[in-house]
Amino acid sequence: RKEVEQDPGPFNVPEGATVAFNCTYSNSASQSFFWYRQDCRKEPKLLMSVYSSGNEDGRFTAQLNRASQYISLLIRDSKLSDSATYLCVVNGKTSYDKVIFGPGTSLSVIP
Amino acid sequence: GAGVSQSPSNKVTEKGKDVELRCDPISGHTALYWYRQSLGQGLEFLIYFQGNSAPDKSGLPSDRFSAERTGGSVSTLTIQRTQQEDSAVYLCASSLIGSPEQFFGPGTRLTVL
Repeated sequence: RKEVEQDPGPFNVPEGATVAFNCTYSNSASQSFFWYRQDCRKEPKLLMSVYSSGNEDGRFTAQLNRASQYISLLIRDSKLSDSATYLCVVNGKTSYDKVIFGPGTSLSVIP
Repeated sequence: GAGVSQSPSNKVTEKGKDVELRCDPISGHTALYWYRQSLGQGLEFLIYFQGNSAPDKSGLPSDRFSAERTGGSVSTLTIQRTQQEDSAVYLCASSLIGSPEQFFGPGTRLTVL
């Protein structure tokens, strides 16, 4: 089993739609979780951290389920500018451990 | 402040030649990663430096690949006897000690003819 798995997509959704991405991780000792965004031919950039209690940043909501080792990202009211690849990121038991990137989920928001 | 920088931004080389790729992390960042990304693919972990600890080289695909980090700052990734399958974007990222959030450089696009 891969350390971090994501549905590769692509997800093609119309503007204004709500879309959800899922991510599973294998290391139950992982402590920190993130979503990164990567635009075409650009480097990845941090989108948001994922907290145990769930967190929201505007149209974006991230949730963590430790029991199921599952992370999700919900995007409401999709914009054309949301088109990108979304990467799930998990670290090890301590923050000194190597960070693991998932393979990414591709999103295209269509006019 | 200055972000992570990488040089060169583009490198075209002939099969069999050696190449060196450079990464300047953000000042004060003790963790440094190298990744490789082929077109349309995800990030492939190569190597991880964390402070003075021995680097995690578990992602290096072959012994043609090596990396060093001098003085805990600048890092160089060396690929010897390049092959066409080495063509990819090589990304460097750094982070603060104890923080898993990574800051990426713009990458070096390597093309092996």
